[in-house]
Formats: sequence, structure tokens, C-alpha cells
Amino acid sequence: DTAVSQTPKYLVTQMGNDKSIKCEQNLGHDTMYWYKQDSKKFLKIMFSYNNKELIINETVPNRFSPKSPDKAHLNLHINSLELGDSAVYFCASSRLSTASNYGYTFGSGTRLTVV
Amino acid sequence: AQSVTQLGSHVSVSEGALVLLRCNYSSSVPPYLFWYVQYPNQGLQLLLKYTSAATLVKGINGFEAEFKKSETSFHLTKPSAHMSDAAEYFCAVSDNHFGNEKLTFGTGTRLTIIP
Repeated sequence: DTAVSQTPKYLVTQMGNDKSIKCEQNLGHDTMYWYKQDSKKFLKIMFSYNNKELIINETVPNRFSPKSPDKAHLNLHINSLELGDSAVYFCASSRLSTASNYGYTFGSGTRLTVV
Repeated sequence: AQSVTQLGSHVSVSEGALVLLRCNYSSSVPPYLFWYVQYPNQGLQLLLKYTSAATLVKGINGFEAEFKKSETSFHLTKPSAHMSDAAEYFCAVSDNHFGNEKLTFGTGTRLTIIP
């Protein structure tokens, strides 16, 4: 029944590895987002996709590559992981035409720890 | 560019006392404003939203917020704090230009309830 689900919930990996985080929503929304929350709880948007098309890319290093196979899924692949990538990554979704009216629905987050 | 400022990274109130969490915004267009709550190790949950209708907005769990254009504020209040209100609270503003919408978050306020 979970509206926006992310896997895995926790991810511990070594520097230099490549990892992926998956996100799926069953709300029928057309837009999905990735946000990064740092150790000070600051939330910053990374990407957004509307109907599989990239619409926001907030100067994220190109080691981060989002992939949207369909409008219900937005995965995040990270190459050559660095210590500074350690954070909680949140997926969210909305219906673009009403996003400003209704806000976003967030997943429960993926805590990535790079050692 | 839009932004929000949350005054006070930590707020402590006694159980039963008034809760007041401050948020000021900056936006070049009429803003849409949101408050989200994050409980430990969970995702963000929408508390309430202002989308240019009534200036006093009521949300879940007894919270409300008032939009004051003259003060560029959207402070969150609750008349009587409950232990279950302990969480991190985020104010957010929406860039509501269709096709490039994103939520910009404040730095968060951690609310502690004193028994």
C-alpha cells in the first residue's frame, strides 16, 4: 500500500563503488523527484522527471545519473561513490499541474553511508 | 529565486504549551507555501499548505499557519503541544511556474517537547 517506496532503506558501501537506489510510486503521479538530505537535515533537490523526461537538474555531479523507465519509476545510479555522498536520499512524486496545490508525496528515504 | 528562512534550528516547549515555529519566505511570484514534518528515520509528511486561498490554513494534528504577505511570513502554530509532536519541521516554498516546479526547503526546526 506504500505510495512512494524506495529500496534499499539502508546502503553501506565503500568509496569508489557504484550503487543504485530505486523508487516507485503507485499514485498515478506524472512527476518524480530526488532530494538529498545532508547531515544537517538540509534538503536540496537533485532531479525531477515528468513523464520520463528530465525537467530539473540542479548542478549535480555527473556521477549521479537518474533513470526513469516509466512515469511510475525513477532510479538513481551513483558512480565512483565519495565520502561526501553520504546522506539520506528521498524520492518524491506529484502531479505536475497540481504540485503547487498539493505538494509532494515523499518516500521514507534511503540512508547511504560511504566508508 | 525563491527561498525560505526558518528562525531557530531548535525549539523546546513544555507539553501543553503553545508551539510557534517561524518561517519567512522570499519569492518573486505569489508563493505557494508548505509545512512538512519529519519524524525520526521517516520521510516527510505534509502538514498543511497555502495556495492563495484562505490566509489561515488548518492542517493535520491540530497545526495551523497564517500567511502574512506584509510580513512575508508563514509561521506554524499549535495551541497545545503534545509529546507526539516532537519532530523536525520544514517550511517550503514552491516555484509554481508550470513545467519547472520544485519545492525549496528551509533548514528545518527541531521541536522538542518537555514533559
